[in-house]
Amino acid sequence: KAGVTQTPRYLIKTRGQQVTLSCSPISGHRSVSWYQQTPGQGLQFLFEYFSETQRNKGNFPGRFSGRQFSNSRSEMNVSTLELGDSALYLCASSLTLDRGRTEAFFGQGTRLTVV
Amino acid sequence: AQSVAQPEDQVNVAEGNPLTVKCTYSVSGNPYLFWYVQYPNRGLQFLLKYITGDNLVKGSYGFEAEFNKSQTSFHLKKPSALVSDSALYFCAVYSSASKIIFGSGTRLSIRP
Repeated sequence: KAGVTQTPRYLIKTRGQQVTLSCSPISGHRSVSWYQQTPGQGLQFLFEYFSETQRNKGNFPGRFSGRQFSNSRSEMNVSTLELGDSALYLCASSLTLDRGRTEAFFGQGTRLTVV
Repeated sequence: AQSVAQPEDQVNVAEGNPLTVKCTYSVSGNPYLFWYVQYPNRGLQFLLKYITGDNLVKGSYGFEAEFNKSQTSFHLKKPSALVSDSALYFCAVYSSASKIIFGSGTRLSIRP
């Protein structure tokens, strides 16, 4: 079966712009989580969605937002981009919210560069 | 607060030798622990997990991990390293807040 698909793979944006990243989970998975990966901060949790509802949120400013559609596809949006937002953004899908029993499968990520 | 620590930024091992990548954790209650691997320009791939049961967990690509409750550790091991094992390895703990907390990662380098 197809894995987690993230689009686009690479993106270059200018400071002050906004960006939308997309994630299509594995078919049948209803949980989608987003992570930011940077060399300095490692992997940091952004938010998680399940059945179109945000279930958990990390410690990121309000410029970072997301949503999930009825087909479980998810988007995350970053407004007023800053240089420090340059990172690899990873999406993970899981069958349920019980991450202890159903592992998360990750997409290849979207590499965002802010100039 | 729940956390996971990987004390080594980098581990260097000769091909054919055993390898260990260290991980310690701090959680309240019973921990759910995971290891993921990341190859260059790729997402994370699941290696193995510990939920309950045997302290020695076997996973993908010949890796295994040993859960030690008294030392709050979950070290990743492999009896004989391959050059293709060179990658970035992340230990993770599942917290009660329904999110996975990742360690800082350990870069494993296997020399021929």
